[in-house]
Amino acid sequence: QKEVEQNSGPLSVPEGAIASLNCTYSDRVSQSFFWYRQYSGKSPELIMSIYSNGDKEDGRFTAQLNKASQYVSLLIRDSQPSDSATYLCAVKFGTGGFKTIFGAGTRLFVKA
Amino acid sequence: GAVVSQHPSRVICKSGTSVKIECRSLDFQATTMFWYRQFPKQSLMLMATSNEGSKATYEQGVEKDKFLINHASLTLSTLTVTSAHPEDSSFYICSAIRDMNTEAFFGQGTRLTVV
Repeated sequence: QKEVEQNSGPLSVPEGAIASLNCTYSDRVSQSFFWYRQYSGKSPELIMSIYSNGDKEDGRFTAQLNKASQYVSLLIRDSQPSDSATYLCAVKFGTGGFKTIFGAGTRLFVKA
Repeated sequence: GAVVSQHPSRVICKSGTSVKIECRSLDFQATTMFWYRQFPKQSLMLMATSNEGSKATYEQGVEKDKFLINHASLTLSTLTVTSAHPEDSSFYICSAIRDMNTEAFFGQGTRLTVV
């Protein structure tokens, strides 16, 4: 079983819509969760980090974490064509652990 | 956010030669650095975890004698791909963390092509 799972997509949404990206993970001890955005040929850039259950909002982005369900999501409101990229879910495993494992990524296309 | 610089950004080498990739944390001391490899349209695969002054911890299936990692200081880690072959052609990315409670910052990545 993969440690971090994402739907590879592609996910296609019209400009202005809400894009919803989902991620599940296998380690119940995980404490830290991240969403990265990666454009083709570039390295990932951090969008959001979330550490406790609930929602965390930053501009048009909202991260949601549910540790009981081992589920983390990212909502992008008012999607723009420039949001078109691959979104990577990352989980830092284990209490005090350093290892960060990435999901396969979800490709998002925002149509103008 | 913190700055991690990776060099070179692109390298082409002949089969059988070795290539060294540098990863530097420019404005913070990185207790731990990570090396990832990414093949086209695939996710980042963790190769190894590098702590300053100690041997790197390699993920299962990664050959430590082929991918030599040196973390000589709190701001520099190097990955040397030895006796490179065309199947080693990939996008190699490093990341660094300040401490166990912070997020990782990525270098720009190195596109390695072995011909």
